[in-house]
Amino acid sequence: DAKTTQPNSMESNEEEPVHLPCNHSTISGTDYIHWYRQLPSQGPEYVIHGLTSNVNNRMASLAIAEDRKSSTLILHRATLRDAAVYYCILRDVPYNNNDMRFGAGTRLTVKP
Amino acid sequence: SQTIHQWPATLVQPVGSPLSLECTVEGTSNPNLYWYRQAAGRGLQLLFYSVGIGQISSEVPQNLSASRPQDRQFILSSKKLLLSDSGFYLCAWSTRVGLNTEAFFGQGTRLTVV
Repeated sequence: DAKTTQPNSMESNEEEPVHLPCNHSTISGTDYIHWYRQLPSQGPEYVIHGLTSNVNNRMASLAIAEDRKSSTLILHRATLRDAAVYYCILRDVPYNNNDMRFGAGTRLTVKP
Repeated sequence: SQTIHQWPATLVQPVGSPLSLECTVEGTSNPNLYWYRQAAGRGLQLLFYSVGIGQISSEVPQNLSASRPQDRQFILSSKKLLLSDSGFYLCAWSTRVGLNTEAFFGQGTRLTVV
C-alpha cells in the first residue's frame, strides 16, 4: 500500500506561516493526497486534498511537487486554534480501493 | 446536509463484558463506512471498512467485529473486552460518488476497559 511519511512534530509562532511536509514516494497515478487535522479529543476534520495541481481553500493551501512524491500543507497565518495533529494520507479512487489509512501525523504546536 | 452520529461519547466497561458501538449517517446514500481506534497519543488505526450492506473488510486480527445491517448504520462489537481494547473509537464515512471526496468523522467514543 502507498504510505506517507511526516515529521512527528513541528512548532510555529502565532501569525506566522507554517509549512507541513509529507513524503509519499510510492504514490500511484490515481492516488489523491488528502490532509486532515485532529484537534484534542475530537475526530479528524478534512482540510484539503488534491491530485496534481496546487489547491487553495479557506483553511489552507496544498503545494504538490511536480513528481507528486511529496507535498506541503501551508497554513498562511497560524493561530492558536491551529494546534492539532495533521495527517497526510493517500486515497485511491473508489473503483480501485476504498480503504483509508492514517499514519502518526505531525503534531503542530503554536506558540503565542 | 450530511451528519454522522456516534454514541456513546464515553464508556467504561469491565474486562470480559460485551461491547456495542453504533454509528449512523444521515443525508447520504450508499456511503463507505469506517471504524478506527486511536490509542492514547497514537495515530488512527483502521479497524474495519464497509462499501455496502453486509460487506465488511477487516484490517487487523482482533476480538472486535463489525456489522452493517442497514445502508447508513455501522456497528462495532465485541463479545468479551480486553484491557487492550481501551482507546478512542472513531466512525467515519465518505461518499462513493465521483472520483475522490473528503471523509467525515464522528466525535468518537472514548472506551476505558477496567
